[in-house]
Formats: sequence, structure tokens, C-alpha cells
Amino acid sequence: QKEVEQNSGPLSVPEGAIASLNCTYSDRVSQSFFWYRQYSGKSPELIMSIYSNGDKEDGRFTAQLNKASQYVSLLIRDSQPSDSATYLCAVNSNAGNMLTFGGGTRLMVKP
Amino acid sequence: EPEVTQTPSHQVTQMGQEVILRCVPISNHLYFYWYRQILGQKVEFLVSFYNNEISEKSEIFDDQFSVERPDGSNFTLKIRSTKLEDSAMYFCASSEVPYEQYFGPGTRLTVT
Repeated sequence: QKEVEQNSGPLSVPEGAIASLNCTYSDRVSQSFFWYRQYSGKSPELIMSIYSNGDKEDGRFTAQLNKASQYVSLLIRDSQPSDSATYLCAVNSNAGNMLTFGGGTRLMVKP
Repeated sequence: EPEVTQTPSHQVTQMGQEVILRCVPISNHLYFYWYRQILGQKVEFLVSFYNNEISEKSEIFDDQFSVERPDGSNFTLKIRSTKLEDSAMYFCASSEVPYEQYFGPGTRLTVT
């Protein structure tokens, strides 16, 4: 059973701070990792993908991957109230195209 | 920016009825998917479709479910005989290459 685990939160950070979101996965052969943002009542929106160990930066977002520890994280710099949402970690194992999602971490950015 | 569209946004049906959920994937995408999210729960994979056939399906996707690409633009999910537990948000997604999947706005299915 492939599992993707996230702390459900809420994670509360003040505006302008760095938000750090974490995810662990159980399937060691997982190859592709994604972060989605989901506003309440809306669909998941792809914000980051990462495929190799290390950091990947895109604007205020940095994804970090450590395959040895089976750990992927998302940093959001200069957090804004509009970043308040649930962040979903999704993993693909290369066995197919399906994504396995974590339960999400709810982020609250307070003005 | 191109996006995945889905219709209807909300479907109410009675238990035992058939429903068809419709999706128009992004035009140059070749891989299509259906996921569902029961209220308050994780997003769950149902099925992936490539080159006019199912490439992968989950345990949820049993004989009551089917998918079809009836023409060059639409991708449909049919549930033959709905159950109460089929009530959920159903998301269609598409990707140009495997893995980077873009989701549509979803169809909320309510089975009464």
C-alpha cells in the first residue's frame, strides 16, 4: 500500500514569514513529486514538480527532495494571506501514471 | 491559458441511476485521468487513459465505472448504477506527458 503522509495542520504563519510544509512517502521507487494548492471548494492546482534530489526554486516557492529519507518539502517565502489554502503532496511511482495524494496541510497566513 | 473544463458543475441523481460526467482536456494533452475526492478526504485516483485505452485503474474503478473518449475533444466518466457512497467531487485531469497533471474544476456528484 503506497502511502503519502502530511501533517493536517493548520499551520499558522504571519504574513511575510516562511511557511514550511512537509511530506513523507512510503514507496521507495517513487520518482516524481508534486505540490498542489487547493482552495476550499476548488480543484487542486499544480504549483511545483520535482524529480531529483535537492532544491528546485520557482518564484516564492522552493521544493526540496530527499529520496534517501523519502521526504519532500515545500517552502513558501514571504507568505501572503492569499497563500492560505490546503497544500497537497502527490507522488508518482513510475509504475504508472497515477498520483497518490497525501491528505494535505492546511496553511493559514495571518495579516 | 488553456485549462481543463468539466460539465456539469453539480449533478444530483437518485441511487441506481446512471450518470455521465464530461470533461474537455487541454487540447494538446495526450493523457487523461479521473480522480475523486469525498468531502474531507484525500484525492483518490480512479483511472488513466492514453491512446484510446485505459492504462491504469484503481480498485475503486470497478465494473460500475467506464470511461470513453467519444470524439477528439471530450473525455467522459460513466457510473452505471450510482450508490450513496459515490457522492464526491470528481476531477478530470490531463497531461501532455505523464505525471504533470492539470485538474479541471470538478463535478460535485450528489447521490440521494
